[in-house]
Amino acid sequence: NAGVTQTPKFQVLKTGQSMTLQCAQDMNHEYMSWYRQDPGMGLRLIHYSVGAGITDQGEVPNGYNVSRSTTEDFPLRLLSAAPSQTSVYFCASSYRARPNYGYTFGSGTRLTVV
Amino acid sequence: AQKITQTQPGMFVQEKEAVTLDCTYDTSDQSYGLFWYKQPSSGEMIFLIYQGSYDEQNATEGRYSLNFQKARKSANLVISASQLGDSAMYFCAMRGIIQGAQKLVFGQGTRLTINP
Repeated sequence: NAGVTQTPKFQVLKTGQSMTLQCAQDMNHEYMSWYRQDPGMGLRLIHYSVGAGITDQGEVPNGYNVSRSTTEDFPLRLLSAAPSQTSVYFCASSYRARPNYGYTFGSGTRLTVV
Repeated sequence: AQKITQTQPGMFVQEKEAVTLDCTYDTSDQSYGLFWYKQPSSGEMIFLIYQGSYDEQNATEGRYSLNFQKARKSANLVISASQLGDSAMYFCAMRGIIQGAQKLVFGQGTRLTINP
């Protein structure tokens, strides 16, 4: 039972480069989300999805794109990396019909943009 | 909109003492859930405890309990008999049950340090 798998765990990008953070879950969760964690600011929601083909913006969506073609996968794309996107990124998933379940988190991706 | 406030950036506690981490929330939803997560230095997010807005009793999970005061909109985490392994960041979070269930909103976190 793998849970939520994020790759890569670490990444260094140059300003202007693009990349995709991968997220996959094997629990058949309907909801999936991407968060970024910055010191003193907790976890802030970037984008979320309530099912395959349905995505929406969270609190800090600028500079990021998502898509959800399958229930299992929810990749996060950085279009043109900026130093302000240096952060730790978490992918999380949850059941739609079990609100007391909370979210299961991946192990995170530490991204540095230079 | 939902909002979580954790007013204690850092706390220092002696081993074996009880500790209370504060959390206040704001929401217009009638049905919602409150969560506490632990983030040790290794970085993973560990679910600790859940409280539903209509639960009549405070939630407990081992040494963790949630002091839920609905009228005050507070959901404080109480850790009894603290251990060195409790040193970590702690996040309070909430999500709606009927509305807003697709979003988990977090507070800023409290860094707890347990001293031997």
